[in-house]
Amino acid sequence: DIQMTQSPSSLSASVGDRVTITCRASQSIYNYLNWYQQKPGKVPKLLIYASSTLQSDVPSRFSGSGSGTDFTLTISSLQPEDFATYYCQHTYSPPLTFGGGTKVDIK
Amino acid sequence: QVQLQESGPGLVRPSQTLSLTCTVSGASINSGGHHWSWIRQHPGKGLEWIGCIYNSGGTYYNPSLKSRLSISVDTSKNQFSLHLSSVSVADTAVYFCARGIAGGGTGYWGQGTLVTVSS
Repeated sequence: DIQMTQSPSSLSASVGDRVTITCRASQSIYNYLNWYQQKPGKVPKLLIYASSTLQSDVPSRFSGSGSGTDFTLTISSLQPEDFATYYCQHTYSPPLTFGGGTKVDIK
Repeated sequence: QVQLQESGPGLVRPSQTLSLTCTVSGASINSGGHHWSWIRQHPGKGLEWIGCIYNSGGTYYNPSLKSRLSISVDTSKNQFSLHLSSVSVADTAVYFCARGIAGGGTGYWGQGTLVTVSS
C-alpha cells in the first residue's frame, strides 16, 4: 500500500506570505495526487487534482506541482480565508490514502 | 449538480454494526467510471479513507478495516452503503460519502454524519 507523508504538520504564516506544503508518496504515483482544503466543521474541498490542475472556482494563487513521489502545494500570497488544514490524497490505486494534513494558522 | 447525502443512526452500541447509506442525486451511480468512497474523520484528526466501489467494477477497502467492512451499491435506489461490524469507541467519527471526478480527485462530498459508538 502507498503511504503519503505530508510536511510540515503545521505552520504559522502571515497574510501575503508564500506558503509551500509538501507531500511524498512511498512509491511512484505518477501525477495521481490531489490537494484538499478543510476548514473547521466543514467538508473538505478539492483544490487541485492530477498534481497541478486547478479545480473550477479555486483562486489562481493556489498551484500544485510534482510527479512520481514528490509533490508541492503552493499558495502564492496567503489570504485570510486560506487559514485551514490542507490534505493530499493519491488516487493512483486503492487504498486511496490521505496525507496526515498541514494546519496553516495565523502568525 | 451532483449531491450526496449520508443517512444512518448517530449512535451505535459497541460490538454492533454501523450502517450508513449515501443517497446520490444529480448523477447515476451506474455511470462514469468514478470511485464512490467512504471517508471518515475522528474528532480533531485527519481524513481516513475507508473504502470505495467503482461502477466499472471492483470494491476496495482500507486494509486496517477490511475484516469488518463491507461496501455495496443499490443501483435501483442510486445509493451506496457502508457496513462496519464489531464497532468500538475508536470508530466514533464523522463519516463522509464522496465521489471521484474525471482526473481522479474526490470532487463531490456529502455533508458528513457524526457516528458515536457508546453504550
